[in-house]
Amino acid sequence: DAGITQSPRHKVTETGTPVTLRCHQTENHRYMYWYRQDPGHGLRLIHYSYGVKDTDKGEVSDGYSVSRSKTEDFLLTLESATSSQTSVYFCAISESATNTGELFFGEGSRLTVL
Amino acid sequence: GQQVMQIPQYQHVQEGEDFTTYCNSSTTLSNIQWYKQRPGGHPVFLIQLVKSGEVKKQKRLTFQFGEAKKNSSLHITATQTTDVGTYFCAGPVTGNQFYFGTGTSLTVIP
Repeated sequence: DAGITQSPRHKVTETGTPVTLRCHQTENHRYMYWYRQDPGHGLRLIHYSYGVKDTDKGEVSDGYSVSRSKTEDFLLTLESATSSQTSVYFCAISESATNTGELFFGEGSRLTVL
Repeated sequence: GQQVMQIPQYQHVQEGEDFTTYCNSSTTLSNIQWYKQRPGGHPVFLIQLVKSGEVKKQKRLTFQFGEAKKNSSLHITATQTTDVGTYFCAGPVTGNQFYFGTGTSLTVIP
């Protein structure tokens, strides 16, 4: 398996609190992605990064921000968590652009917002 | 809305029966990838299709990319209990954005 670590793996928090999920890779891959997975919706792209300090929005970016200050770390922040953000969050990495590179996924972070 | 759709959402089959899941995109894709996610696990890459009309096989799995590069299918022959999981297609809808389909959850009844 690719060297991808997500933390925390499980988190329960209350509405209105800030939450940061971390994705750490040891593969030196350029592209990193954050997805959320919900029943009936599959995997939906939140944000992605195509290099250090280079990020862009995905299809469900509202309420989320990201940062990538180093190649190996991609942080996903919920500034003020809401119950609708209860989900399983997956980080993925890719060596190449979307037309050539497969995605390698982390183990996932299960977030519950009460 | 979701730009890559899959059907069916769920499929229950008896062990030994065949299974097919279909993927449709609202836009032409430069390539399409397929992933498998076991229950409680994370998605794992299976294959990538690039050419119009391309067909690839992996043992009992057959993958096909449509002539217009807007649809794809995954067919499993003679399912086994190890095939249980959710199968996703994914494609680069815009730029660097890799969009996933809604997935098909396969249950195999022994």
